[in-house]
Amino acid sequence: AQSVTQPDIHITVSEGASLELRCNYSYGATPYLFWYVQSPGQGLQLLLKYFSGDTLVQGIKGFEAEFKRSQSSFNLRKPSVHWSDAAEYFCAVGALLKEGKLIFGQGTELSVKP
Amino acid sequence: ETGVTQSPTHLIKTRGQQVTLRCSSQSGHNTVSWYQQALGQGPQFIFQYYREEENGRGNFPPRFSGLQFPNYSSELNVNALELDDSALYLCASSPRGLRWGTDTQYFGPGTRLTVL
Repeated sequence: AQSVTQPDIHITVSEGASLELRCNYSYGATPYLFWYVQSPGQGLQLLLKYFSGDTLVQGIKGFEAEFKRSQSSFNLRKPSVHWSDAAEYFCAVGALLKEGKLIFGQGTELSVKP
Repeated sequence: ETGVTQSPTHLIKTRGQQVTLRCSSQSGHNTVSWYQQALGQGPQFIFQYYREEENGRGNFPPRFSGLQFPNYSSELNVNALELDDSALYLCASSPRGLRWGTDTQYFGPGTRLTVL
């Protein structure tokens, strides 16, 4: 069965420090991978997506993610975190399924220290 | 370009009641998906509608039902509400649905449902 695991429930980083959020997926074929961000009380905003091609993808707000097939991972990174990046981050996998659904991880809550 | 909108923003119901949540898809999108997000969890897929027909369904009971209208807006109906139905309900629209591979889902702000 398809699944997404985000091993870190909560991460705290200092403002200006680098960030890496982990995501591992389980899927039998080539996955379509997404990272979304959710601010408190808000819906989900797409940060970036990977479908094929270059395994390093750039997104909005200075985020990037790298697809590593051998590790079944799609980790999100940012070189310098800003206080406004504090939010919940969700990794998701989509696939050519009849249902056309996204399967989400549990999320990682990011806190930013001044 | 108008994004995905949902109404109402918040809703409080009692157990056993029925509720209808509404979603207007983004301009040019003909596919709508609904997700339930319980507190502290990732969103869970409820179902998807494409051109007014259900395109797929997640592991939710039949008391969760939906509609899509000719203008591609959508409703989520939940009958016989249970306490565990308390959650944020998210609507997402996409041009054609992930069945066709590369379409991205764009989410609305959600409706917070509380069942007492």
